[in-house]
Amino acid sequence: QVQLVESGGGVVQPGRSLRLSCAASGFTFSSYGMHWVRQAPDKGLEWVAVISFDGSYTHYADSVKGRFTISRDNSKTTLYLQMNSLGTEDTAVYYCTKDRYAGNSFSHYWGPGTLVTVSS
Amino acid sequence: DIQMTQSPSTLSASIGDRVTITCRASQSISSWLAWYQQKPGKAPKLLIYKASSLESGVPSRFSGSGSGTEFTLTISSLQPDDFATYYCQQYSDYLYTFGQGTKLEIK
Repeated sequence: QVQLVESGGGVVQPGRSLRLSCAASGFTFSSYGMHWVRQAPDKGLEWVAVISFDGSYTHYADSVKGRFTISRDNSKTTLYLQMNSLGTEDTAVYYCTKDRYAGNSFSHYWGPGTLVTVSS
Repeated sequence: DIQMTQSPSTLSASIGDRVTITCRASQSISSWLAWYQQKPGKAPKLLIYKASSLESGVPSRFSGSGSGTEFTLTISSLQPDDFATYYCQQYSDYLYTFGQGTKLEIK
């Protein structure tokens, strides 16, 4: 069965950096695109970034472009999100999701999420 | 950028009711639309993809329709487990935008 487990969340000061990880299992990780989606407290879902199955392309929401970097290590079946220059608006639960296909479709499976709180 | 607008934002209904949630795209997205259900404190769950394809394991009382810019999610007979928040998402372009959500409440 597909399992996605995020880690790396926590409390961080504004302007600092944080790296999230997502350990994947139960499927052929190197064959699927992956996404990060976030949800601010009591708000809706916001798509953050996508990476193709082989890492050859990435795309970002305008709100994080230039600050966040999505990457993957297929040998470790792990997805990452490097978050720099964090602001209070980045406070959210961050979900790792598996694309249905190579990285240009919807989120088929979701992890339970990890909470990132940006606060001084 | 493609904007997704859901209506209503909140919907009150009773067990057994038939309910419909609408999602409108700011430009045509063909049938590249998914619907998700989210319960408090939990990750979203996929219900429908490609506008009308039911995800495996999802009860048949859920259905989706539409194409182009207007889409609907229908629950034919509400069950207690269906009270949740529902989101649409377009995957026509690489910004994968979500609607703002529709909270389905018990009347």
